[in-house]
Amino acid sequence: ETGVTQSPTHLIKTRGQQVTLRCSSQSGHNTVSWYQQALGQGPQFIFQYYREEENGRGNFPPRFSGLQFPNYSSELNVNALELDDSALYLCASSLPGTNIDTQYFGPGTRLTVL
Amino acid sequence: RKEVEQDPGPFNVPEGATVAFNCTYSNSASQSFFWYRQDCRKEPKLLMSVYSSGNEDGRFTAQLNRASQYISLLIRDSKLSDSATYLCVVNPGYKLSFGAGTTVTVRA
Repeated sequence: ETGVTQSPTHLIKTRGQQVTLRCSSQSGHNTVSWYQQALGQGPQFIFQYYREEENGRGNFPPRFSGLQFPNYSSELNVNALELDDSALYLCASSLPGTNIDTQYFGPGTRLTVL
Repeated sequence: RKEVEQDPGPFNVPEGATVAFNCTYSNSASQSFFWYRQDCRKEPKLLMSVYSSGNEDGRFTAQLNRASQYISLLIRDSKLSDSATYLCVVNPGYKLSFGAGTTVTVRA
């Protein structure tokens, strides 16, 4: 497998709540990207972190935020949850450097917002 | 306009058949191209990279046409295990842009 883990596997929240999703990358993978995949759609890029700094962001509002830690783990935080936030959230880590072509995906966290 | 557009299918084919499908991308500055495979409720997994000269990996052949901004995937001698959603993926810079996927179902 890819060596990328995510927790939790599944999560149910209600509108307006906040959620934190976690990702643990392979050792040495200092670039992590987060994606949102709604049902029937391809993954959509949320943002990328490189060496603990945000390195690029997709078309997502500021209530989506992230952190990356020195131990190659990272978090995706979503505030004020909306029904449309229900999706599979994927993190992907990349080999050292800024080449993100080779991305290793975790199994994802399935978030349901009621 | 979406960055990557794919025919959603579904393509329903018998075992042993050949199936082919395409995608188009909008950013002419895109640098690299891939096909990923995604099984139901699982994460995407890299199937193959796509090179300008075209490339094969076993029963899978990928083609890239930069002038037309068009990528194709052909699967020969389809197996039941090829049933999946195939995602066309383009790297326009610092991220991966995914199409919505083409669903292929191989029947016995």
